[in-house]
Amino acid sequence: GENVEQHPSTLSVQEGDSAVIKCTYSDSASNYFPWYKQELGKRPQLIIDIRSNVGEKKDQRIAVTLNKTAKHFSLHITETQPEDSAVYFCAASKRDDKIIFGKGTRLHILP
Amino acid sequence: EPEVTQTPSHQVTQMGQEVILRCVPISNHLYFYWYRQILGQKVEFLVSFYNNEISEKSEIFDDQFSVERPDGSNFTLKIRSTKLEDSAMYFCASSGDRGRPQETQYFGPGTRLLVL
Repeated sequence: GENVEQHPSTLSVQEGDSAVIKCTYSDSASNYFPWYKQELGKRPQLIIDIRSNVGEKKDQRIAVTLNKTAKHFSLHITETQPEDSAVYFCAASKRDDKIIFGKGTRLHILP
Repeated sequence: EPEVTQTPSHQVTQMGQEVILRCVPISNHLYFYWYRQILGQKVEFLVSFYNNEISEKSEIFDDQFSVERPDGSNFTLKIRSTKLEDSAMYFCASSGDRGRPQETQYFGPGTRLLVL
């Protein structure tokens, strides 16, 4: 069935360094790839998304890349700050369809 | 900015009891979803709802679960006879303005359900 794999499960980076989270998806019909940030006990918050007609998208310190051929997509956070500490979920979806989430990456920003 | 709201924020119930979780999606949205997240795990799809009927449901969404949109604003998830393994955070989400369906789903704050 549809599946999204996410790596790593835990990531620790020094404040100011970059963090990269990688995901793969199985359903070649997926065309929408959101990334959610979830702080403890809170709702998933959309931080950036990318559609299949685009290879890269950037929003300030956050960027996402998509390789449709390989069915890979990645999240890049530059100049990490303490408030970036959270669990990040990648996901894949088709229009007006359910979102399939990855298992999440717990990102720790070290002082 | 409009948000999805959910009530209650927390619910404690005895095994075998019925619970109803309530959601108010963003007005003008047409697509509604329920997801659940067991503590420390990923968010899992339960059911999607469009045009007053279920569009898709997952294996988790068995006969003990039902959804309803009783009026123009509320969207409810009912668990008829709760089990211990139903303990989780339940998120409602909505998407899709009329005539311009959108993929972006906006999540509510969740209801934490604890079954004892």
